[in-house]
Amino acid sequence: DQQVKQNSPSLSVQEGRISILNCDYTNSMFDYFLWYKKYPAEGPTFLISISSIKDKNEDGRFTVFLNKSAKHLSLHIVPSQPGDSAVYFCAASDFGTDKLIFGTGTRLQVFP
Amino acid sequence: EAGVTQFPSHSVIEKGQTVTLRCDPISGHDNLYWYRRVMGKEIKFLLHFVKESKQDESGMPNNRFLAERTGGTYSTLKVQPAELEDSGVYFCASSQDRGNTEAFFGQGTRLTVV
Repeated sequence: DQQVKQNSPSLSVQEGRISILNCDYTNSMFDYFLWYKKYPAEGPTFLISISSIKDKNEDGRFTVFLNKSAKHLSLHIVPSQPGDSAVYFCAASDFGTDKLIFGTGTRLQVFP
Repeated sequence: EAGVTQFPSHSVIEKGQTVTLRCDPISGHDNLYWYRRVMGKEIKFLLHFVKESKQDESGMPNNRFLAERTGGTYSTLKVQPAELEDSGVYFCASSQDRGNTEAFFGQGTRLTVV
């Protein structure tokens, strides 16, 4: 049973437009959510996070939105750039444990 | 400052053989994690060390997997004997603090069991 789901395996967006990556979770005990970006042959790198006490966190071009009632979060990238092309993983954890539960990832391609 | 380092980057072994993966965390990071990604699937937690102690090993698949972190520095993950389903990319991550802080990942070791 997958507790964190990224239902879109891939997304293609034109440069300058907005990229929206979605993530759903099933465990209501999750209280901290993270997005990681992964380039080929590299490990995941931390991008942005959000605590369950917030519904939005912004860092430059990246904004994460959290809808607790829907158990849904999304990552918005605007404007999208070709260097954003990578696999994006959503991850979650609950207070008291340190392990991250990851989704299967969404491959984002930003084309000129 | 050096990041999390893993080696080898790639290992191909035959079923039944033994393989040992190594992870050097960022200096000063007490927390060390092992994760695994089987092709196309999610990245799955294996275990968590705090210094040399195993804090959580709930994700270890079976007793063919043995992780150690002697002295609280680098860690090894041994698979003995390897099976075909052990193939995947093994990631190590480290963090300074516990509790929902972002961890820094290594580049991973791609293990192929044939």
